[in-house]
Amino acid sequence: AQSVTQLGSHVSVSEGALVLLRCNYSSSVPPYLFWYVQYPNQGLQLLLKYTSAATLVKGINGFEAEFKKSETSFHLTKPSAHMSDAAEYFCAVSVPAGGFKTIFGAGTRLFVKA
Amino acid sequence: EAGVAQSPRYKIIEKRQSVAFWCNPISGHATLYWYQQILGQGPKLLIQFQNNGVVDDSQLPKDRFSAERLKGVDSTLKIQPAKLEDSAVYLCASSLDTGPSSGNTIYFGEGSWLTVV
Repeated sequence: AQSVTQLGSHVSVSEGALVLLRCNYSSSVPPYLFWYVQYPNQGLQLLLKYTSAATLVKGINGFEAEFKKSETSFHLTKPSAHMSDAAEYFCAVSVPAGGFKTIFGAGTRLFVKA
Repeated sequence: EAGVAQSPRYKIIEKRQSVAFWCNPISGHATLYWYQQILGQGPKLLIQFQNNGVVDDSQLPKDRFSAERLKGVDSTLKIQPAKLEDSAVYLCASSLDTGPSSGNTIYFGEGSWLTVV
């Protein structure tokens, strides 16, 4: 069975500062990993995904994430935070299991201070 | 390309009443999901369909929740009778499932917000 742990339910950064949102996973088979973003009153939107190609994945809005198998991590980063990045971010792991089974983390809310 | 459509967006009902949510996935997507998202938590899978068939409904409270996907396209999720703890956002989503290399990206609708009072 797979699982996802997001470290920190809330993260606060200043505008222009580095954003780092942490995600660790467990899976008995090679997983696919995702980061989704959710803005207020909206559904989830895909930021980026890892599908066993390059370990450094670039997504939309300047975000990127690095898959580290040895650490079972898939942390999300952005060099310089913008006010518009304030949202909830979800890490997810997906494995083939009669189709695909996808599990979401509990989410990390990102606050950006002016 | 049209996204995942859901209705209604907002619903307020009293406990013990019933409610139904409708979802139309992205055209051609074989897999359809219903997730429950309680405030402050991540989405929890209620039921997953592959075409007409149910792939996973292990977390669906079957005594009060039901879902169907007729003709392998749109779907309805029903709650009867509703409890206070059912207050949540019900997210419908779909995916293409073209194989492992696709990574199974899931596309979400905007959600149906349910408040049970």
